[in-house]
Amino acid sequence: EVQLVESGGVVVQPGGSLRLSCAASGFTFDAYAMHWVRETPGKGLQWVSLISSDASTTYYADFVRGRFTVSRDNTENSLFLQLNSLRPEDTAFYYCVKDMGAGGSGWPFDYWGQGSLVTVSS
Amino acid sequence: DIVMTQSPDSLAVSVGERVTMSCKSSQNLLYSLNNKNYLSWFQKKPGQPPKLLISWASTRESGVPDRFTGSGSGTDFTLTISSLQAEDVAVYYCQQYFSALPFTFGPGTKLHI
Repeated sequence: EVQLVESGGVVVQPGGSLRLSCAASGFTFDAYAMHWVRETPGKGLQWVSLISSDASTTYYADFVRGRFTVSRDNTENSLFLQLNSLRPEDTAFYYCVKDMGAGGSGWPFDYWGQGSLVTVSS
Repeated sequence: DIVMTQSPDSLAVSVGERVTMSCKSSQNLLYSLNNKNYLSWFQKKPGQPPKLLISWASTRESGVPDRFTGSGSGTDFTLTISSLQAEDVAVYYCQQYFSALPFTFGPGTKLHI
């Protein structure tokens, strides 16, 4: 059974930083690209970032480029998202999402974690 | 960016009713070399993560009831629930994965009884 378990969501002040983690199990982690997707009441689902199976390729949404960094540790079956220079509008549930392919482009997203809440507020 | 739009925004439904909802993309999602449409449908219930129902516009995922059907091609797509069950009340999102720069979701169609 595929399981994705996010952690690291906290309340942080504007301008602050945090690191989200996602522990993966139940599939061959290093064979698949992974994504971060966030959900807010106002904007629904927004794709945030993609990392290919071997970490050679990363993509970011314009609204996080230069502030967020995605990474993975295939030896530990883990995905990470470093969030810097946080803004109130970054407040959201952040989901770790598995891709059906390795490169991350042109394949459906299939499994989603339960999400981790990031709140940016003073 | 490929812009995804959905209609209606919300829909009042009854158990047993046939439900249809629309998703439109600003660009063609049909790749001519493999004749596949790069579109998914997700079901989102409160407190739960999105669940993939349909990929490639019409391929139902394993375990998804056959009352869910995806159709359409190019820029116009439809999700149909043939006979609504109470547990189908949710928000339904379409998403394109044709272009990674960026991947985009529709705003959702909310079903309510």
